[in-house]
Amino acid sequence: KNQVEQSPQSLIILEGKNCTLQCNYTVSPFSNLRWYKQDTGRGPVSLTIMTFSENTKSNGRYTATLDADTKQSSLHITASQLSDSASYICVVGEGGYNKLIFGAGTRLAVHP
Amino acid sequence: KAGVTQTPRYLIKTRGQQVTLSCSPISGHRSVSWYQQTPGQGLQFLFEYFSETQRNKGNFPGRFSGRQFSNSRSEMNVSTLELGDSALYLCASRTGQEYGYTFGSGTRLTVV
Repeated sequence: KNQVEQSPQSLIILEGKNCTLQCNYTVSPFSNLRWYKQDTGRGPVSLTIMTFSENTKSNGRYTATLDADTKQSSLHITASQLSDSASYICVVGEGGYNKLIFGAGTRLAVHP
Repeated sequence: KAGVTQTPRYLIKTRGQQVTLSCSPISGHRSVSWYQQTPGQGLQFLFEYFSETQRNKGNFPGRFSGRQFSNSRSEMNVSTLELGDSALYLCASRTGQEYGYTFGSGTRLTVV
């Protein structure tokens, strides 16, 4: 069964600290992996998109890695800010039509 | 460039009623997909339309249906509403089969 699992479920960090979110997937055939940030009550916003041949992608303070062999990805947030408080969702595209399989998300709270 | 527009933003309906949600994609985007997001199940794929044809469908009952018009605007209909249909309904658009989905802000449906 195609699944995307994320850990931890929730995380609290202090402003300025770094953190890493994890994503494991069992999706076949694999098309791509993306990380989204979703503020409460809003639609997800894309942070990074990686295909099979890419193993790292950065977007400002966000850096995503992908290990296609172990089917793992991580999202590293550097020098966190209060505005980083949100849910971070790992999404894997399946097949030629790129059907999206969603993880349950990690809820990040950045405290001053 | 306007983003993905969903209307209405909030909706309250009674059990047994039906509801129609609307999504206007980014200009030039021919693919529109719909998702249901609940606290318990996370984001789940409903269906995707491309050039007025449904090309992918998730595991939802037949009460959930959709359509796409020639101008790429899409509507989603839910008949015989149940309390469990209360959720944030998101739509996303993309040009075709490429990876970049852009999400709207969603319609918050509450069934009472």
